Amino acid sequence: DAKTTQPPSMDCAEGRAANLPCNHSTISGNEYVYWYRQIHSQGPQYIIHGLKNNETNEMASLIITEDRKSSTLILPHATLRDTAVYYCIVKIIQGAQKLVFGQGTRLTINP
Amino acid sequence: ETGVTQTPRHLVMGMTNKKSLKCEQHLGHNAMYWYKQSAKKPLELMFVYSLEERVENNSVPSRFSPECPNSSHLFLHLHTLQPEDSALYLCASSQDKSTNQPQHFGDGTRLSIL
Repeated sequence: DAKTTQPPSMDCAEGRAANLPCNHSTISGNEYVYWYRQIHSQGPQYIIHGLKNNETNEMASLIITEDRKSSTLILPHATLRDTAVYYCIVKIIQGAQKLVFGQGTRLTINP
Repeated sequence: ETGVTQTPRHLVMGMTNKKSLKCEQHLGHNAMYWYKQSAKKPLELMFVYSLEERVENNSVPSRFSPECPNSSHLFLHLHTLQPEDSALYLCASSQDKSTNQPQHFGDGTRLSIL
């Protein structure tokens, strides 16, 4: 699976949009981009995933560049409860589903 | 997230004890997974079950023994564990093992080996 690169930490003010970047320059055509987050003492929570088109759901939006080498997760109106470690994962869909979690981005939402 | 439930949430055991971790999913999924998350380390996949058949075993020591009696339940039987086995054990499920649909995780069992 392709390796991803994320900033180790970010801060965002409550109520503002949080934009979390992810680089996946070695991604191949049959690999999806997934985002999860993990709040302290809880299991990872699925947020969103996509292949090449931008995606939006009730939690977030996912913007994937045209060359698919990077993506951005957008939390449109961050709240204090969005403070967590956010993981960007690239995964092939064939075969067993092995999610490879990196170090992620520790996002802190400040009041 | 209430679709995947793990019990107990916390477990303290001695190295000679035998215990079991339980996972139950209410999402109608066909694949279930065990992961281990140690402090300061990324998640490590341990086992994958698809339609109650084990399809992947990532070189996990035999002191960890999984069991999947049906597609909704997954167990991890523990015996003669070592202190380095102290970690958060996470269960996940997905619609199928080969699909783009995401895995959904429980909140884990935090295991401490004395």
